[in-house]
Amino acid sequence: QKEVEQDPGPLSVPEGAIVSLNCTYSNSAFQYFMWYRQYSRKGPELLMYTYSSGNKEDGRFTAQVDKSSKYISLFIRDSQPSDSATYLCASPQGGGKLIFGQGTELSVKP
Amino acid sequence: KAGVTQTPRYLIKTRGQQVTLSCSPISGHRSVSWYQQTPGQGLQFLFEYFSETQRNKGNFPGRFSGRQFSNSRSEMNVSTLELGDSALYLCASRRQRQETQYFGPGTRLLVL
Repeated sequence: QKEVEQDPGPLSVPEGAIVSLNCTYSNSAFQYFMWYRQYSRKGPELLMYTYSSGNKEDGRFTAQVDKSSKYISLFIRDSQPSDSATYLCASPQGGGKLIFGQGTELSVKP
Repeated sequence: KAGVTQTPRYLIKTRGQQVTLSCSPISGHRSVSWYQQTPGQGLQFLFEYFSETQRNKGNFPGRFSGRQFSNSRSEMNVSTLELGDSALYLCASRRQRQETQYFGPGTRLLVL
């Protein structure tokens, strides 16, 4: 079992839709969670990070962590075609090592 | 502030050759981690360097090595290249005692 699981998609939504991206993790020691966005043939770009359970909002993006069920989510409101990318959840294991999910490929259609 | 830079951006090599990739971290970041990204395995951790010392290592063969210089720039080397080494190699930097890592654009390596 992978330590971080993520549905690879692809996920296709119409412009303006609310997108929900999800990950589950198995290691209770994970305390810190990040979401990265990766455009095709580019490096991952840090979108959001959160340390505790609950919600964290940044513009159209909301990160949610539920440690009791080991479930993390990223919501994108009013999705735009420019949001089309692969979204990766990650958690640090220590020693500079991030454990990544497989990534979810999102396509937002105009 | 300039982001993480990596050179070269693209590389084509043949089996058996060796390759050296370079990474310059964000100014003030002393920790550099390297990752390999493939469609099948996703992003996998190679190693981390801090203050010119390797502090952590992933599950890769000894053909994969790295080093860090006093200005925090880092290089990774892959010897005796195999077809399966074809991948996007990413480096990421972070501040000491912070968990968030910032990635460079990657070096895309193709082994023929």
